[in-house]
Amino acid sequence: DQQVKQNSPSLSVQEGRISILNCDYTNSMFDYFLWYKKYPAEGPTFLISISSIKDKNEDGRFTVFLNKSAKHLSLHIVPSQPGDSAVYFCAASSYGQNFVFGPGTRLSVLP
Amino acid sequence: KAGVTQTPRYLIKTRGQQVTLSCSPISGHRSVSWYQQTPGQGLQFLFEYFSETQRNKGNFPGRFSGRQFSNSRSEMNVSTLELGDSALYLCASSLGSAGEAFFGQGTRLTVV
Repeated sequence: DQQVKQNSPSLSVQEGRISILNCDYTNSMFDYFLWYKKYPAEGPTFLISISSIKDKNEDGRFTVFLNKSAKHLSLHIVPSQPGDSAVYFCAASSYGQNFVFGPGTRLSVLP
Repeated sequence: KAGVTQTPRYLIKTRGQQVTLSCSPISGHRSVSWYQQTPGQGLQFLFEYFSETQRNKGNFPGRFSGRQFSNSRSEMNVSTLELGDSALYLCASSLGSAGEAFFGQGTRLTVV
């Protein structure tokens, strides 16, 4: 039973447009969420995080939105660039421990 | 500042053998977590060590074990290897409190 779900295995977006990656979780104890980006043959790299006391966090082209009542978060990338093509993992934890990762979404940004 | 280092990068083993993977965390990081990545399964949490103690454990059989040394370096051991153990094993280090974890490049284990 997956506690963190990313229901879209893949997503294709045109360069310059918005990419929206979605993540759903089931455990109401989760209070801290992160997004990681992974290129082939590399380990995941941290992208952006959000704690449950906020509903939005922005860092440059990346914005994460959290809807606690729906147990849903999303990552927006605007504008999308070809270098953003990677696998994106959503991760959730309670008290910053024992992160649970989703299965990932492969984003392809087309030039 | 050096990143998380995992050795070896690639490994081929036969069924029934055992394997030990190594992870050197970022200097000053006391928490080391291990993950298994297989296609379509994302990152499955194996265990976390903090100050030489296992703090959390995922749902993996007892064939998977680990330890952490006083310098925070960690090893993961898998005994009686099965074909299904073929995966990318990732190690992540963090300061131990809430915050992002930094991942190594992983060890690609192939069991034949």
